[in-house]
Amino acid sequence: DARVTQTPRHKVTEMGQEVTMRCQPILGHNTVFWYRQTMMQGLELLAYFRNRAPLDDSGMPKDRFSAEMPDATLATLKIQPSEPRDSAVYFCASGLDEAHYEQYFGPGTRLTVT
Amino acid sequence: GQSLEQPSEVTAVEGAIVQINCTYQTSGFYGLSWYQQHDGGAPTFLSYNALDGLEETGRFSSFLSRSDSYGYLLLQELQMKDSASYFCVLRTGANNLFFGTGTRLTVIP
Repeated sequence: DARVTQTPRHKVTEMGQEVTMRCQPILGHNTVFWYRQTMMQGLELLAYFRNRAPLDDSGMPKDRFSAEMPDATLATLKIQPSEPRDSAVYFCASGLDEAHYEQYFGPGTRLTVT
Repeated sequence: GQSLEQPSEVTAVEGAIVQINCTYQTSGFYGLSWYQQHDGGAPTFLSYNALDGLEETGRFSSFLSRSDSYGYLLLQELQMKDSASYFCVLRTGANNLFFGTGTRLTVIP
């Protein structure tokens, strides 16, 4: 049963600390997406990779957020320094480029910044 | 830019049929998807319409009218487990998905 995995599932940190979230996409999927979900803003696309190359990170605050894919089995989203307004659930999703309207979401990382 | 409108909440009775409407505005249109999300869970893909008409998958059907910029998700034989949020999602380009704010469906006995 192929699934997207994310770690950690929960993270509580203090303002100013660095946060790294990890995602393992489904084997064979060539697109990876990072989303952020809050009650106020809903689900927002932060970054998108195809074949490990970043294609769109326009939804991401560039001054503190960075997203990378060091290899095909790992995607990372880093926040440095973190702020209370970054508190949200961060989802990673993967898919196939030719059918990327069908994305498979991971369980999410619930981030709380105090 | 793009925008999506869907009702924020819908309540329906177990065993009944419910329709969740979605209207959109966009300069580029590739298709409309629907995702389901249970509280505390991750969004899961339900259906996709790129062309006008009805797509059926079991108890769920999705409809699209591109001329009206309108779509809907139809859930039949409602079950308690169908209580969740349902998002219509606009595909505005080959690589772009824009999620609506979601409709919270509550199924009551």
